[in-house]
Amino acid sequence: GESVGLHLPTLSVQEGDNSIINCAYSNSASDYFIWYKQESGKGPQFIIDIRSNMDKRQGQRVTVLLNKTVKHLSLQIAATQPGDSAVYFCAETSGGYNKLIFGAGTRLAVHP
Amino acid sequence: SQTIHQWPATLVQPVGSPLSLECTVEGTSNPNLYWYRQAAGRGLQLLFYSVGIGQISSEVPQNLSASRPQDRQFILSSKKLLLSDSGFYLCAWTGKGLAGGAQYFGPGTRLTVL
Repeated sequence: GESVGLHLPTLSVQEGDNSIINCAYSNSASDYFIWYKQESGKGPQFIIDIRSNMDKRQGQRVTVLLNKTVKHLSLQIAATQPGDSAVYFCAETSGGYNKLIFGAGTRLAVHP
Repeated sequence: SQTIHQWPATLVQPVGSPLSLECTVEGTSNPNLYWYRQAAGRGLQLLFYSVGIGQISSEVPQNLSASRPQDRQFILSSKKLLLSDSGFYLCAWTGKGLAGGAQYFGPGTRLTVL
């Protein structure tokens, strides 16, 4: 069935470096993708989204890239800060009614 | 602006006891509502979703049920809890529209079944 997965379960970076978190999806019909950040003990927080008619979208310090040819999604965080430490999930829509399928998550650890 | 509330924040219940978790949304009308469960260190599993009052769809066969008695209220229940029901329960909402939109999550309820 459709699935959304992540290449790296844990990513460690130095403060100030750029971070790249990757995600693969399997449903070529998915048309909407979201990145969430989840801090320990809290609900996921919306970071940025992208629709399938785009290949890049930028926010504040974050950029999402979508490569539909290889069904790959990435989240780039510029000048990573300690406050960016969290688990990051990608998600795709599937099945209508805005149902999202989430990947397992990548833990980002930022070291001073 | 829209806000989503969940309570209680934490709950410790014995096996076999009933459960009722509540979720309410403010600042929007006719939202789609969702219940997820998250095991420790894992991703989110969709349990139920609702597109309107009294309309509930179940994604996974389980010991739980959901109800939507009011437009902005979503309740997760169980008659008899199992140890495997322990987890972090998250409610989310989204507005209706073409091609979906982001889901926005509540703060979650940490349930421990002993």
